[in-house]
Order: sequence, then structure tokens, then C-alpha cells
Amino acid sequence: DGGITQSPKYLFRKEGQNVTLSCEQNLNHDAMYWYRQDPGQGLRLIYYSQIVNDFQKGDIAEGYSVSREKKESFPLTVTSAQKNPTAFYLCASTNTHGSPDTQYFGPGTRLTVL
Amino acid sequence: KNQVEQSPQSLIILEGKNCTLQCNYTVSPFSNLRWYKQDTGRGPVSLTIMTFSENTKSNGRYTATLDADTKQSSLHITASQLSDSASYICVVSRGELGNYQLIWGAGTKLIIKP
Repeated sequence: DGGITQSPKYLFRKEGQNVTLSCEQNLNHDAMYWYRQDPGQGLRLIYYSQIVNDFQKGDIAEGYSVSREKKESFPLTVTSAQKNPTAFYLCASTNTHGSPDTQYFGPGTRLTVL
Repeated sequence: KNQVEQSPQSLIILEGKNCTLQCNYTVSPFSNLRWYKQDTGRGPVSLTIMTFSENTKSNGRYTATLDADTKQSSLHITASQLSDSASYICVVSRGELGNYQLIWGAGTKLIIKP
């Protein structure tokens, strides 16, 4: 898991609720990413950030929002607009976006809708 | 279409046996190929990375091969151990300097039985 932490490990959401997943890194990486993982599918990119105060939509950004106020932190909010949020969420970071550097992952947060 | 396909979807072998996992890709322009190991409920961890000119890369009991002509890669695990039980994900990086995109396979779930 390197120097990336995610919390909580498990999260339960009721219908209509917004929830926020935390991601912190101490690797001094500029770029950070949020992925969603569903059974039998490859990782899908939700949002990414190249630098502080900048972020870009990935392939499945609808129903999600992010912020990047500090280099170390990249929280993800799953809004009530996300109709099927039950999944395993992974945060990752790398030195520079757009480079071939290895992405380092956090331990993940499993979100379940009740 | 840029795709990464892995086979088999799942595999069960006895402890001590060898196995080979396959990855076929249709990604252009090709930059590099990585294999990640993902333990259940954890984030992926990088095992190997290969560029266009590399045919083989080893990491302990893990050996990855790359055939850029046929666009195939394999991950060979020697003398398997119970701790090898995990999902193995093939990831291909496409693009050019400063603008890389990751294409993720769905993974092969490997179970090692005592």
C-alpha cells in the first residue's frame, strides 16, 4: 500500500445520502487518481488530479465529485446522483500524470448501499 | 478499440505447482505493460513492468514475458505458495510522452490450494 492511506475501510450508505471517501499520500506525488472496481471488470477511472486545485473527469465521473486543496489529499464524494455506488474504490498516486511511472495504490474502501 | 483481455478468468492449482497467466492486448500506441498483484480487499501492487524492447522480466518467482509482435504477455509463477492466492491484473500504457493512458484488464483470480 506504500504511503497511501484510505478511510474508512468499509462504508455503508443509505439511499439519498452523500458520502465522502478519504485518500491521503505522503509520497510527495503530484498526480492522484480515483478508480472504481466491480467484480469481473477492469479498474475504471473516476477522476484524476495533476496538481493542487486542478482535477479532471475520468471515464465514469457522473455522480461523483472531488477536491484537491492540498497536495497530500484527494477526497472523493459519492453523491445521491450515483445510482449504483456499491463497489470497491481505490485511490492511487504517481509522480507526474501522463508519465509511464508506476501508480501506487491505497488499501481501498468498500462502499455498500443499504 | 483499445482493450486488454486476460485468461483464464480464474485458476485453481495445488501449492508447489507452476502456472501461467495470459494477457492479450490491442492497444496503440504501445508504451509499456505492467503486471499487478491484488490481494483480496487490498490495493494492487506492481510486480513487473516491460517496455517494447524487453522480452522477459523476473521478480523472484514471477517471470513476465512480452511478445510485441503478437501483442501477448504472460506471467509465469514458479513453485506456487499459498500467499500467491490473489488477482493478477495486466495493464497496458498507451500514448506518447506526457500523455499516457492506462488500459486495465479484468484480472485473473488465482487460488492456491494446500
